[in-house]
Amino acid sequence: RKEVEQDPGPFNVPEGATVAFNCTYSNSASQSFFWYRQDCRKEPKLLMSVYSSGNEDGRFTAQLNRASQYISLLIRDSKLSDSATYLCVVTSTGGGNKLTFGTGTQLKVEL
Amino acid sequence: DADVTQTPRNRITKTGKRIMLECSQTKGHDRMYWYRQDPGLGLRLIYYSFDVKDINKGEISDGYSVSRQAQAKFSLSLESAIPNQTALYFCATSDAPGLAGGPGPDTQYFGPGTRLTVL
Repeated sequence: RKEVEQDPGPFNVPEGATVAFNCTYSNSASQSFFWYRQDCRKEPKLLMSVYSSGNEDGRFTAQLNRASQYISLLIRDSKLSDSATYLCVVTSTGGGNKLTFGTGTQLKVEL
Repeated sequence: DADVTQTPRNRITKTGKRIMLECSQTKGHDRMYWYRQDPGLGLRLIYYSFDVKDINKGEISDGYSVSRQAQAKFSLSLESAIPNQTALYFCATSDAPGLAGGPGPDTQYFGPGTRLTVL
């Protein structure tokens, strides 16, 4: 089983739609959780950290469920510019700053 | 100017050749990382360094070596390139834990990537 699993998609949604991605992780000792965004052939960039209490940044909401070991990302009012691959990331079992990446979920927002 | 730079950005080489990929950063971070990205596999950690005298293997270090020449520089070498090392390579940096402020010690900042093709 992969440490971090995501549905690869693609998720094709119309502009203005709400879309949600889920991610599951296998290591119950994982401590930090993130969503990164990666545009085609570009480097990943931090979108937002994910906290147990849930957190929101504009149109983006991230949630963490430790009991079920999953993380979610909700995007409201999708824009064409949201089209990208969204990477779920957790700290690895070794701790420190070593991150384990999911393979990503591709989002395509269409007119 | 970009905070994390990688050279070259693209490289085509032949099997058996020695290749060096270089990474420089102006963020003042102690921690640096090398990843490779392959379709369907996500990013996988090759090596990482928490300071100039520290080198650690990641999950896929075989066939690679690294050198941390200075706080700002971390290079990745392929001593004898093989076709299955064809991939997109990313360097990343992060702060050490415990530093106040900013987006958090686990946040990593990536370079623009090097696309390597081994024929």
